[in-house]
Amino acid sequence: KNQVEQSPQSLIILEGKNCTLQCNYTVSPFSNLRWYKQDTGRGPVSLTIMTFSENTKSNGRYTATLDADTKQSSLHITASQLSDSASYICVVSPRPNQAGTALIFGKGTTLSVSS
Amino acid sequence: KAGVTQTPRYLIKTRGQQVTLSCSPISGHRSVSWYQQTPGQGLQFLFEYFSETQRNKGNFPGRFSGRQFSNSRSEMNVSTLELGDSALYLCASSPQREGAGANVLTFGAGSRLTVL
Repeated sequence: KNQVEQSPQSLIILEGKNCTLQCNYTVSPFSNLRWYKQDTGRGPVSLTIMTFSENTKSNGRYTATLDADTKQSSLHITASQLSDSASYICVVSPRPNQAGTALIFGKGTTLSVSS
Repeated sequence: KAGVTQTPRYLIKTRGQQVTLSCSPISGHRSVSWYQQTPGQGLQFLFEYFSETQRNKGNFPGRFSGRQFSNSRSEMNVSTLELGDSALYLCASSPQREGAGANVLTFGAGSRLTVL
């Protein structure tokens, strides 16, 4: 069964600190892996998208890595800010180049950044 | 550039009623997909529409339906509402169909449905 598991479920860090969120998936073969940020009361916003051949992708203070062999991805946040407080969702698109593919979502990691 | 617009943002219904939610995609985007988000299950795929045709459907009962118009605007309908249908319903649009490459979805703010 295709699944996406995220850890930790929630995380609290101090402003200015770094943190890493984990995503493990069993989807195979897959086309791409995405990380989204969802603020409370808002829709998810795309942070990064990586194909199976990419190892890393950065977007400002956000850096995503992908290990297709171990089926793991991580999202590293550098020098956290209060505005980073949100839910971070890992999403996998299965079956490369096959239109009509349903995305598989992780349940997200809730990050709280405190001052 | 206007984003994805969903209406209404909030609504309250009672069991047995039906509801229709609307989604206006980004101009030029032909694919519209719908998702249900609940605290326990996270985001779950409902269906995707492209060029007025349903291209893919998630594992939801037939009470959940949708359609897409020629201008790419989409509606979803839930009939005979149940308490468990209370959720945030998100719409996302993209230039191409899901699965046709690294397709970036742009989500709307969602419609929060409460069923009493």
